[in-house]
Amino acid sequence: QVTLRESGPALVKPTQTLTLTCTFSGFSLSTSGMCVSWIRQPPGKALEWLALIDWDDDKYYSTSLKTRLTISKDTSKNQVVLTMTNMDPVDTATYYCARATVTKNFDYWGQGTLVTVSS
Amino acid sequence: DIQMTQSPSSVSASVGDRVTITCRASQGISSWLAWYQQKPGKAPKLLIYAASSLQSGVPSRFSGSGSGTDFTLTISSLQPEDFATYYCQQANSFPPSFGGGTKVEIK
Repeated sequence: QVTLRESGPALVKPTQTLTLTCTFSGFSLSTSGMCVSWIRQPPGKALEWLALIDWDDDKYYSTSLKTRLTISKDTSKNQVVLTMTNMDPVDTATYYCARATVTKNFDYWGQGTLVTVSS
Repeated sequence: DIQMTQSPSSVSASVGDRVTITCRASQGISSWLAWYQQKPGKAPKLLIYAASSLQSGVPSRFSGSGSGTDFTLTISSLQPEDFATYYCQQANSFPPSFGGGTKVEIK
């Protein structure tokens, strides 16, 4: 079955760079049509899409955050990594990775990881 | 970027009620719309894709309709496990975007 799991620091300081890893199983990112995306949710607020990488290594980013985000994949390890630079307290959120297809529907999600930005 | 607006932001309903949630896109998105259910402390769950297609395993009391800019999610007979927050998401173009959510609460 398809599973995804996010990992990374629970606490980062302002101005630091956040690195999150999504480790997945049950599908391959080398299969045509497969994609992995990152989505976040500040406490008590709505979902916000961040980035997506597809099987062909094409990358897409949030318009408002694209200068701070980098997404990459390691197909052999079944991992997708998201880095976000210059973290700020407003970036405090639960960060989810999710599988998507070319239709951009997010059909499987990780359980999420809460990242708090505080000095 | 395409903006997604949901209404209402919250609704109080009783078990057995019919509940309808609307979602409006700032520009036409054909039928490229998905609906998700999220319970507290949990990841969202895909309910409906392509505006009206039910994701595998989702009960048939959930249905979706609409095209272009206006969409609806209907729960035909609300069950206790349906109390949650619901989000729409446009899948027409990058960047994908979500609505602000609709919380379905117990009356």
